[in-house]
Amino acid sequence: QVQLVESGGGVVQPGRSLRLSCAASGPSFSNYAMHWVRQAPGKGLEWVAVISYDGNNNYYADSVRGRFTISRDNSKNTLYLQMNSLRPEDTAVYYCARDSSYVVVRGVMDYWGQGTLVTVSS
Amino acid sequence: EIVMTQSPATLSVSPGERATLSCRASQSVSRHLAWYQQIPGQAPRLLISGASTRATGIPARFSGSGSGTEFTLTISSLQSEDFAVYYCQQYDKWPPTFGGGTKVEIK
Repeated sequence: QVQLVESGGGVVQPGRSLRLSCAASGPSFSNYAMHWVRQAPGKGLEWVAVISYDGNNNYYADSVRGRFTISRDNSKNTLYLQMNSLRPEDTAVYYCARDSSYVVVRGVMDYWGQGTLVTVSS
Repeated sequence: EIVMTQSPATLSVSPGERATLSCRASQSVSRHLAWYQQIPGQAPRLLISGASTRATGIPARFSGSGSGTEFTLTISSLQSEDFAVYYCQQYDKWPPTFGGGTKVEIK
């Protein structure tokens, strides 16, 4: 069974940086693309970024492009999200999620972590 | 980007009744449409992809239909554990986009 556990959230001042991690257990982490999705307090879901199974390709939402970097270490079964130049509007629960398709990026998220809260405030 | 619009925002339903949720895309997404359930305080859970294919372990009372720009999620007989927020999401074009959600509450 796939399990995803996020960590690294917390309170950070505007303009500062934070790195989130997502530790995966279960089969074949290295064969699936991975996503980050966020949810502002009381709001809906917003897709943030995706990285291919091998880490060679990634794609970002316009709202974070140039500030956030998604990466992965398949030897450690871990996904990362480096968040720089944080803004108050980045305040949200950040979820990591596995893409449902083997190797190919499909855009459907079939396993989700429990989320980690990032609060950007002075 | 493709805008997804869900209606109604809130649906009040009695246990055992049928619930019908709608999702509309601003342009055709073919059948590249997924539905997720989110119980308060929990992560989203994939219910349906491909507009109508239930994910592993999802009960048959959940069904999806539609194509192009109009989609429907039907819960045939609401159980207590089904009261939650439901999101549709298109994955036809990048970036993937979600609807604003429909909250299904107990009537």
